[in-house]
Amino acid sequence: SAVISQKPSRDICQRGTSLTIQCQVDSQVTMMFWYRQQPGQSLTLIATANQGSEATYESGFVIDKFPISRPNLTFSTLTVSNMSPEDSSIYLCSVRQGNGYTFGSGTRLTVV
Amino acid sequence: GDSVTQMEGPVTLSEEAFLTINCTYTATGYPSLFWYVQYPGEGLQLLLKATKADDKGSNKGFEATYRKETTSFHLEKGSVQVSDSAVYFCALSEGRSGGGADGLTFGKGTHLIIQP
Repeated sequence: SAVISQKPSRDICQRGTSLTIQCQVDSQVTMMFWYRQQPGQSLTLIATANQGSEATYESGFVIDKFPISRPNLTFSTLTVSNMSPEDSSIYLCSVRQGNGYTFGSGTRLTVV
Repeated sequence: GDSVTQMEGPVTLSEEAFLTINCTYTATGYPSLFWYVQYPGEGLQLLLKATKADDKGSNKGFEATYRKETTSFHLEKGSVQVSDSAVYFCALSEGRSGGGADGLTFGKGTHLIIQP
């Protein structure tokens, strides 16, 4: 299965600033996904990123707040913009291969 | 929309006890079903999966059977170990075609604690 490198692994950021999270996959994949896991909660899909097209966002998530880039078939970034303490979460990228999904190790974001 | 409901914890068991974590789902089509595990301080790992009705996924002594008639995918293990202590997530994927999101819908997770 694919190996995903995600960075940074954690960060502490000031409110009002932005953080860009990177996700690198060791093989070419069509679809990449971004999730949020709020403290003590389950994972929620933010958006699906396809190479060469705009990301598709789930209800409750908008491009202005979570812009996504997908420049090629092995890389994607998620930016958390104009952060507030409510954005403190673990953010994970994921890829689909065959019938399964592989996840990155996550980025633990704390907004102060 | 799709949803997954699983029993919430924490669930505390003694070592060698029998484990069942219930999971039921609602979906418009014929989803694939998954159990993921998150060990303390680690990332999310696929535990097992099933892609069609009556399929049984199994791994590391854990089993789950895709029951379409009851829309369930309960996780079971005959004899748990302390090392099984983790958070377990039930999830589904609709695998919609024609564009649009195709990610996973997760349950809220069940925190399992196994005591020696």
